[in-house]
Amino acid sequence: GENVEQHPSTLSVQEGDSAVIKCTYSDSASNYFPWYKQELGKGPQLIIDIRSNVGEKKDQRIAVTLNKTAKHFSLHITETQPEDSAVYFCAAIPPGNQGGKLIFGQGTELSVKP
Amino acid sequence: DGGITQSPKYLFRKEGQNVTLSCEQNLNHDAMYWYRQDPGQGLRLIYYSQIVNDFQKGDIAEGYSVSREKKESFPLTVTSAQKNPTAFYLCASSPYNRNYGYTFGSGTRLTVV
Repeated sequence: GENVEQHPSTLSVQEGDSAVIKCTYSDSASNYFPWYKQELGKGPQLIIDIRSNVGEKKDQRIAVTLNKTAKHFSLHITETQPEDSAVYFCAAIPPGNQGGKLIFGQGTELSVKP
Repeated sequence: DGGITQSPKYLFRKEGQNVTLSCEQNLNHDAMYWYRQDPGQGLRLIYYSQIVNDFQKGDIAEGYSVSREKKESFPLTVTSAQKNPTAFYLCASSPYNRNYGYTFGSGTRLTVV
């Protein structure tokens, strides 16, 4: 079945720097890749997603890139701010009878130091 | 506004007790999911349901039970057979479509006392 690997597990950056989190997936037929942000004590919130027919998507300071050949996708946060500090999860939807069931990466704890 | 509501936010369980966590959504989503999250850990799937009156075990179903009698509701019971139930529990829903992700609830923190 599908497997999603996420790196790094922790990431510390200075305010204003960029942060990049990378995920790799195993099933080349996966076609939807969302990213979630989870603040302490809260549920994850969808922040951006990308479908397999698109190579890059941007929303203000965040962007996601997808390399289907290499089977990896990355989250890019520019001009980081302290409120970006959170745990970020990537995910993929495998094909077949799994319908919409997401397979999650292990999470990245991002710390933005003022 | 549409959304997914989990209750209670905090729950305390005595040894040997069963407790039920509530999850309700008004998003008209077909699928619903329960995840467990331990401190500093990722999301582990307990149970999921893709249609009313049907559900499947996830990766860590032992000691848990669910029901799906209504499209809007997917309660999770943590039974006395679950030996280490202290965790943060997250419910989610989705349109059961390969092109859309989940909407998560705000979570229930369960503590054994």
